[in-house]
Amino acid sequence: DAKTTQPNSMESNEEEPVHLPCNHSTISGTDYIHWYRQLPSQGPEYVIHGLTSNVNNRMASLAIAEDRKSSTLILHRATLRDAAVYYCILRDTSGTYKYIFGTGTRLKVLA
Amino acid sequence: NAGVTQTPKFRVLKTGQSMTLLCAQDMNHEYMYWYRQDPGMGLRLIHYSVGEGTTAKGEVPDGYNVSRLKKQNFLLGLESAAPSQTSVYFCASRKGESTELFFGSGTQLSVL
Repeated sequence: DAKTTQPNSMESNEEEPVHLPCNHSTISGTDYIHWYRQLPSQGPEYVIHGLTSNVNNRMASLAIAEDRKSSTLILHRATLRDAAVYYCILRDTSGTYKYIFGTGTRLKVLA
Repeated sequence: NAGVTQTPKFRVLKTGQSMTLLCAQDMNHEYMYWYRQDPGMGLRLIHYSVGEGTTAKGEVPDGYNVSRLKKQNFLLGLESAAPSQTSVYFCASRKGESTELFFGSGTQLSVL
């Protein structure tokens, strides 16, 4: 299974954009890049996913490098409710069905 | 829609006792997963199932067994609990053609 590398923690000021990086240098052509977040005392929740092109949804944007060896989750305006652990995950579409979570990035949002 | 429901929410076991965690989903999802999360750590995949009657090992399957006799239920069993199995256990499910995992709220298990 391809692995991802994320910083252990990051801080952001409220109302400012946040860029959460993820390295996945061993990504294969069939791996989708997924992001989940885990709020305190809750199960993880889906944020966004993509394959090659940048993606936007109501929660965030996903910027994928041209060589796909890295990606960045962008929260356009961080709020206190965005304080969570953010996980970058690769999912193989060729049939393993597994989602392997790493240790994620703990985002702290400062008021 | 209740989504993914885990039972129980909390449990304390003594070393050597057995128990079963129940995960139930009402979304007709094909795929189901069991993860464990130790304090300050990420989630680790224990077992997963791609459909009724099928299961497969994840990253850390030792000491656990699973069964998927009905599509909506995924059971995680501990035959002889050990203190190293103290953790929060999360269940998740996914529709076949979808990429989004839906998680339950977790089961806090302590083994003394």
